[in-house]
Amino acid sequence: SQQGEEDPQALSIQEGENATMNCSYKTSINNLQWYRQNSGRGLVHLILIRSNEREKHSGRLRVTLDTSKKSSSLLITASRAADTASYFCATANTGGFKTIFGAGTRLFVKA
Amino acid sequence: DAGVTQSPTHLIKTRGQQVTLRCSPKSGHDTVSWYQQALGQGPQFIFQYYEEEERQRGNFPDRFSGHQFPNYSSELNVNALLLGDSALYLCASSSWPGEGRQYFGPGTRLTVT
Repeated sequence: SQQGEEDPQALSIQEGENATMNCSYKTSINNLQWYRQNSGRGLVHLILIRSNEREKHSGRLRVTLDTSKKSSSLLITASRAADTASYFCATANTGGFKTIFGAGTRLFVKA
Repeated sequence: DAGVTQSPTHLIKTRGQQVTLRCSPKSGHDTVSWYQQALGQGPQFIFQYYEEEERQRGNFPDRFSGHQFPNYSSELNVNALLLGDSALYLCASSSWPGEGRQYFGPGTRLTVT
């Protein structure tokens, strides 16, 4: 079964709006990561947040982590058409031997 | 600095055949993981190789096997192909020990007819 589950499954917004995606997971983690995938190509790492961190920023990305609720959110501010992609959260077991991905949120940004 | 490369890009096979997919990790990386991604789904972990050994395996049958070479490149072999094996196969490399951040290749699209 999937460790991470993203919500919503799909999101359609206008360029310039903010996009928020949520992720829930089931077990204890060392960190949680977000990846982006364009049109069935390889995944690109966006950001990693450690279990002892609550919030992290990278450019237009803001990630939060609530370990008590086993959930994370990814906020993309001032979205652009180029942000159209699928976004996945991922968690790794201790040592990073096995990474589990959620089913993803499909984001469509309309120009 | 070359990133993760995979070959071939696309592949069409017939049920019952065998297939070998190849992956070269990012320079400086010693760990390779393989994933299967069905259309509209997230990547599913197949296994991870480190120091030429399979270190961790996901919920995949023995028809899926792999190998890692001394130069850290890796192969994924799938025997007795089924229609359900049609998917995008992704290779990811990383450096151990690490936090689990992975660099992905562009994938191999396998179609089984």
